[in-house]
Amino acid sequence: NAGVTQTPKFQVLKTGQSMTLQCAQDMNHEYMSWYRQDPGMGLRLIHYSVGAGITDQGEVPNGYNVSRSTTEDFPLRLLSAAPSQTSVYFCASSYLGGSQETQYFGPGTRLLVL
Amino acid sequence: AQSVTQLDSQVPVFEEAPVELRCNYSSSVSVYLFWYVQYPNQGLQLLLKYLSGSTLVKSINGFEAEFNKSQTSFHLRKPSVHISDTAEYFCAVSDAGGTSYGKLTFGQGTILTVHP
Repeated sequence: NAGVTQTPKFQVLKTGQSMTLQCAQDMNHEYMSWYRQDPGMGLRLIHYSVGAGITDQGEVPNGYNVSRSTTEDFPLRLLSAAPSQTSVYFCASSYLGGSQETQYFGPGTRLLVL
Repeated sequence: AQSVTQLDSQVPVFEEAPVELRCNYSSSVSVYLFWYVQYPNQGLQLLLKYLSGSTLVKSINGFEAEFNKSQTSFHLRKPSVHISDTAEYFCAVSDAGGTSYGKLTFGQGTILTVHP
């Protein structure tokens, strides 16, 4: 199994540009989520999904959109990038057995918005 | 709402010395507790977790953490660290009931640097 994969690894955007961060998992996990990691703030939940066609907002959803058309993929879209969105983004997945399930994290996407 | 506080942002230590990384949490409901480790330029990996039962939980690489409900703490310890333990460590909590699924609330992280 490849686990959780994320592309790209690095990205530089200009303010106002849009882009999609890709996330895929091959473990047949129902639950997928996106976090952003900022220095001194740990990881904060952006959006999550409990299955194909079902998404919901996390702690910091503004400026981000998600969709879940398949079990495997959970892309994160930045519609109009802002410097405040400079961060490291992590995708995670798990079985839908409750909050005790282990989250498996991808390697991250490092985004710089100029 | 839940919150997690990791009391030290950086912990330098010499190889083979003991180390403790401190974590306190606040929650109005029962919680599950986790420690994740992030090696440089990598994603997070689960180190250990407390769900129920024995309050002392251990990882395969010598770390252990003890859940203290009265002090709302979940400190991580290792009696003798190695250079390879150099990483950032995150404490996290999740709601033990209801439909919170895998939503984790993370602390700010503690950078452990092991010096030779």
